[in-house]
Amino acid sequence: NAGVMQNPRHLVRRRGQEARLRCSPMKGHSHVYWYRQLPEEGLKFMVYLQKENIIDESGMPKERFSAEFPKEGPSILRIQQVVRGDSAAYFCASSSTTPGQGSGNTIYFGEGSWLTVV
Amino acid sequence: GENVEQHPSTLSVQEGDSAVIKCTYSDSASNYFPWYKQELGKRPQLIIDIRSNVGEKKDQRIAVTLNKTAKHFSLHITETQPEDSAVYFCAVLPSGTYKYIFGTGTRLKVLA
Repeated sequence: NAGVMQNPRHLVRRRGQEARLRCSPMKGHSHVYWYRQLPEEGLKFMVYLQKENIIDESGMPKERFSAEFPKEGPSILRIQQVVRGDSAAYFCASSSTTPGQGSGNTIYFGEGSWLTVV
Repeated sequence: GENVEQHPSTLSVQEGDSAVIKCTYSDSASNYFPWYKQELGKRPQLIIDIRSNVGEKKDQRIAVTLNKTAKHFSLHITETQPEDSAVYFCAVLPSGTYKYIFGTGTRLKVLA
């Protein structure tokens, strides 16, 4: 049973370019979350998606960042016109149910995508 | 909103000694408290968790204790080994939400 799959693992972009990060949740999971981890810091919630729906994007910057989880295919976090401050590790996580409901509180993280903006 | 504080930020222990990391939270309605271990360049891995209706949980050398009244929970690692060296994050899931709030991490070094 494959875990949460993310790619690319490492991505280097020049300032002003676009970065696309992909995430395939664990088999049977329909809830996807993106977290960002700046160097030497904890993880910060960005966005929560279910298939074809953005449930909560309150942690995502209003400009340049967008996320989707189409009916077919992986979830994608897109960062347009990247700046140096976007350099971070972006972790995707998935769960089978919404945390907080019943016993389904556990989310499982992927290996992360490390974005470096030069 | 929920606020999570984690201490200490760094911790060095001799191999075989115990390590304790503590987190405090502010929202008394929070009901799920996982701990994650993150090695350099790797994903956070769930190592133990506790729910608000339980005071203590143990899994071999790792244990977590929860004090709901004082609003803090702690990770205890006994008989530490060099492979325990990593950054440990606590997290809190406020009741009725799906957003984990993470602590700032503790860098644990186990000295051989």
